[in-house]
Amino acid sequence: GAGVSQSPSNKVTEKGKDVELRCDPISGHTALYWYRQSLGQGLEFLIYFQGNSAPDKSGLPSDRFSAERTGGSVSTLTIQRTQQEDSAVYLCASSSNRAGGGDTQYFGPGTRLTVL
Amino acid sequence: AQRVTQPEKLLSVFKGAPVELKCNYSYSGSPELFWYVQYSRQRLQLLLRHISRESIKGFTADLNKGETSFHLKKPFAQEEDSAMYYCALRRGNKLVFGAGTILRVKS
Repeated sequence: GAGVSQSPSNKVTEKGKDVELRCDPISGHTALYWYRQSLGQGLEFLIYFQGNSAPDKSGLPSDRFSAERTGGSVSTLTIQRTQQEDSAVYLCASSSNRAGGGDTQYFGPGTRLTVL
Repeated sequence: AQRVTQPEKLLSVFKGAPVELKCNYSYSGSPELFWYVQYSRQRLQLLLRHISRESIKGFTADLNKGETSFHLKKPFAQEEDSAMYYCALRRGNKLVFGAGTILRVKS
């Protein structure tokens, strides 16, 4: 079936503007993750959704970052008042999160965000 | 704190040479470790996980709890192995990634 999809693939914005990044997980996957990939810094966890449970927001770097997941499927990551240090590739992943752990996270192609 | 360290940003080897991508971790419990790979213009994908004890594309990785390492090895590198490799540690619901190592296999 289709993999994780993300849109847009590229986003260029001006400092101070708000942006929304979208993620469509694999159908049936209950777990959804957002990561940020910055040059030289690897992948940084941002937020995790699992079913109807409260999300794990422990990785969000500031209160300018927020995310929601509607209907247990599509997720939107919103960055308000963007700063140049927000420039990165934002990756979404989903997993089936079956009982007992050990599930595989499947990644989307990412959204490259550039803040001018 | 749980941490994953990949000490090499770039590893360059000749085709046919052995490859070892280093990964060290710090974790107080029983770790679950992974290697992910990202080929040029492709998305990040799972290469292997230590609990499966499998060999994928000729790569293996053994968990050494004494040395807190999970190095990725391949006896004979191929040009198509050139990619970015990330070591990752599961911490609860999330993965903690290392900074990544670029592997370049030269002909």
